[in-house]
Amino acid sequence: DIVMTQTPLSLSVTPGQPASISCKSSRSLLHSSGKTNLYWYLQKPGQSPHLLISEVSNRFSGVPDRFSGSGSGTDFTLTISRVEAEDVGIYYCMQNIYLRSFGQGTKLEIK
Amino acid sequence: EVQLVESGGGLIQPGGSLRLSCAASGFTLSSYEMNWVRQAPGMGLEWVSYISSSGTGIYYSDSVRGRFTISRDDARNSLYLQMNSLRAEDTGVYYCSRDHYSGFWALGDVWGKGTTVTVSS
Repeated sequence: DIVMTQTPLSLSVTPGQPASISCKSSRSLLHSSGKTNLYWYLQKPGQSPHLLISEVSNRFSGVPDRFSGSGSGTDFTLTISRVEAEDVGIYYCMQNIYLRSFGQGTKLEIK
Repeated sequence: EVQLVESGGGLIQPGGSLRLSCAASGFTLSSYEMNWVRQAPGMGLEWVSYISSSGTGIYYSDSVRGRFTISRDDARNSLYLQMNSLRAEDTGVYYCSRDHYSGFWALGDVWGKGTTVTVSS
């Protein structure tokens, strides 16, 4: 099994300030195709999850450009350049190079 | 509108069975790979099962393998999850989600609102 470890588990950010979430996998997520199988999701309070970032750094349709993803191999980061109130919720990373598994989640709150 | 609607959840005793359904609308289910993901109360997301667009590729998490069966009926535009030998730890909200490829994979580009399963005596 591939274990996904997110840090921090919670963060409180002032609107307009940046935020970063780390996700580390227990094995490389680099596929033989050259793509890297790492995804980011946001679950807002009381809602279903929704996709933010595909294959490390591809923003999904409609996702604001303040969200960006980076990383390679086993270490990945989701960055929000300027946090807004609507960004509150729990962020999850997920791998699908071997079945699928999610990180524990990182709860973002607004100060 | 592209939509997934889950149903079939409820209260069931340990050892019992339930069949969850996921009805797709606004798109043709047969063209997409589909998944079930669950969330225990107050906990994070846990992937449960995957089925390929053809139905020939099927995978399960270790926690449900041998007890749960994923299937699809493309004529009904529906996805299913047959859950047998249910345990208390299977309690949670069950979501179906869609995978889509358009230059890159968008895993979970559409999610349903979920259906709640409670396993308790």
